[in-house]
Amino acid sequence: DVKVTQSSRYLVKRTGEKVFLECVQDMDHENMFWYRQDPGLGLRLIYFSYDVKMKEKGDIPEGYSVSREKKERFSLILESASTNQTSMYLCASSFSGLGSNQPQHFGDGTRLSIL
Amino acid sequence: SQQGEEDPQALSIQEGENATMNCSYKTSINNLQWYRQNSGRGLVHLILIRSNEREKHSGRLRVTLDTSKKSSSLLITASRAADTASYFCATARYQTGANNLFFGTGTRLTVIP
Repeated sequence: DVKVTQSSRYLVKRTGEKVFLECVQDMDHENMFWYRQDPGLGLRLIYFSYDVKMKEKGDIPEGYSVSREKKERFSLILESASTNQTSMYLCASSFSGLGSNQPQHFGDGTRLSIL
Repeated sequence: SQQGEEDPQALSIQEGENATMNCSYKTSINNLQWYRQNSGRGLVHLILIRSNEREKHSGRLRVTLDTSKKSSSLLITASRAADTASYFCATARYQTGANNLFFGTGTRLTVIP
């Protein structure tokens, strides 16, 4: 089974802090994704990566950056945390392939609170 | 936006009944996927239906796709209390090298024992 592991289930940080959320997958997937999930808004794509050292902005990249130095690891960085970044953060991965129909595999999420 | 929209937002049924959830989307799609999310957990992929397919089955799940109406439905037969979860449809889009997904806001299903 595919396993996507997020480093923390719950995290509490203070406004202005630099926050790192880590995600590791064990299936050699090319694609990795970061979403945030808020009540009534569903899942919104923050950033994604289709290869090592490659990154692309999703729908809501402002205030975030990412790093993908190794294929299995995709990190989300909150440069200067703000209270409106309090949310559930979900990491996912999938195989690649042009026009492929691949499901995404999700981690259990990190519930981040910014005080 | 290509985002899927689920209907109803919430559904409560008795154990043993069937549950039907609907999804509508706005633009042409490559495929449509359904996911399940237990409270406080990540999403789990349930089933994928390609744009050239009309119906697909997996265990107690039945998915239909009507591309002319830009809609899909997920039917869970003989529901169980363990089916209590949120269910999301997601439409596939191709964006700069990756197959990304648009997720809807989900249907919250409660199955009463």
